Amino acid sequence: ELQLVESGGGLVQPGGSLRLSCVGSGFTFSNYWMSWVRQAPGKGLEWVTNINQHGSEKHYVDSVKGRFNISRDNAKNSLYLQMYSLRAEDTAVYYCARDGGVYSNSWNDYWGQGTLVTVSS
Amino acid sequence: EIVMTQSPATLSVSPGERATLSCRASQSVSSNLAWYQHKPGQAPRLLFYGASTRATALPARFSGSGSGTEFTLTISSLQSEDFAVYYCQQYHNWPRTFGQGTKVEIK
Repeated sequence: ELQLVESGGGLVQPGGSLRLSCVGSGFTFSNYWMSWVRQAPGKGLEWVTNINQHGSEKHYVDSVKGRFNISRDNAKNSLYLQMYSLRAEDTAVYYCARDGGVYSNSWNDYWGQGTLVTVSS
Repeated sequence: EIVMTQSPATLSVSPGERATLSCRASQSVSSNLAWYQHKPGQAPRLLFYGASTRATALPARFSGSGSGTEFTLTISSLQSEDFAVYYCQQYHNWPRTFGQGTKVEIK
C-alpha cells in the first residue's frame, strides 16, 4: 500500500524555523517528483514547492522563495521542507504529495494526511 | 499567475441527484487540469488529471470534461461518501494554482 507520512509540525514563534519530514513507502520513491502543498485554516489548497527525482531541480511559490527549502534523501525515502523566517500566514496543514506526471509541472496523485504548523507568539 | 475560479462555492444536493461543478481559468491551461476531492481530516484524493483522465479506482459516476479555460466535474448520482470539498488545479504554468473549492453538501 502506498503511504506518505508527514511529521515535524508544531508551534513556532514568528521568525522561527521548522523542518518537516515525509517518508514514502509502497512505491519507488526515487522515481518521482515530490511536492509540498498547504492549507491554511478555513482556506483552500495552495501548492508550495516541488523537487525532481535527484534533487537538482526545485520550484517554489513566490510567497516562500528565499525562506523555504525543499530537499530529499532517496536512500531514506524521505522528503523534507526546511522553513525559515516563519510568518503567521504560514500557519497551515502541510501535505506531502507525489507528483503523478513525468514532467516538472503535473498533478499530485497521492497525498499524506498532513502535519499542522502553527506560527504564533 | 493563473487564477482558477470555481462555482458555485456551495452546492446543496440530495443523495441520488446529479451535481455539476464548474472551474474557470483566467487564461488557457489547455488540458492541464486536475480535480481533487477533500474531506475534513483526510488526505486529498485525485479524481482526474488531463481534465478527463480518470484516477485509479474512481467510480464511473464521476466524469470530467473541458479544455482551455472552462472545465466541468460531474457526479451523476451522489452517494453519501461524495459529500466533500472539490478543488480544481492547473499545472500548465508556474506556480500550480488551485481554485477556492466547491463544497458539496447534503440538501
